Amino acid sequence: GAVVSQHPSWVICKSGTSVKIECRSLDFQATTMFWYRQFPKQSLMLMATSNEGSKATYEQGVEKDKFLINHASLTLSTLTVTSAHPEDSSFYICSGLAGGPGETQYFGPGTRLLVL
Amino acid sequence: LAKTTQPISMDSYEGQEVNITCSHNNIATNDYITWYQQFPSQGPRFIIQGYKTKVTNEVASLFIPADRKSSTLSLPRVSLSDTAVYYCLVGDGASGGSYIPTFGRGTSLIVHP
Repeated sequence: GAVVSQHPSWVICKSGTSVKIECRSLDFQATTMFWYRQFPKQSLMLMATSNEGSKATYEQGVEKDKFLINHASLTLSTLTVTSAHPEDSSFYICSGLAGGPGETQYFGPGTRLLVL
Repeated sequence: LAKTTQPISMDSYEGQEVNITCSHNNIATNDYITWYQQFPSQGPRFIIQGYKTKVTNEVASLFIPADRKSSTLSLPRVSLSDTAVYYCLVGDGASGGSYIPTFGRGTSLIVHP
């Protein structure tokens, strides 16, 4: 299957700082990428849809000024958590849509964010 | 937007076949059904995808009845390493901006020795 990487795999930061997470599709081009957040023992919650060359579409309740998404190329999307607070601590996962009839999503390994 | 319903948890033993059913009563004509496996602190891993009837790959089979209102993931001869959460996802990724992937609660499968 198609491969998606994320960097960093984990990050610890102080409250008030900003953190950038990179999502790369390594062996396919992803016009569309998704960003999810997952809290312990819960399902994945879609935060936003990232389309190459255009503004991201955020789900209801997700602050677009806090979670900045940039999709500058067909293989790279970034999520920046601005002025992070402890409640932003979570597991962030990205995915890319690969080609084919069903346009399958392939997921990255996730990034664990801990805000102190 | 197709909503999915799965059992919250299932238990099995090594070597047994496990069948996990997902209900998606309002599946749309162009929607595909995709199953993922997730281990703790990892991203979901693609298992199998189908549109109708039966699909089989090296790790699983997917059975979809004619009305497509449900689907069943079949894992043959499970091992301890199959202990994970399994999600079914219904949608049409090729629909562009109207595709909003929504994960249900998933099924936590525990395989016992």
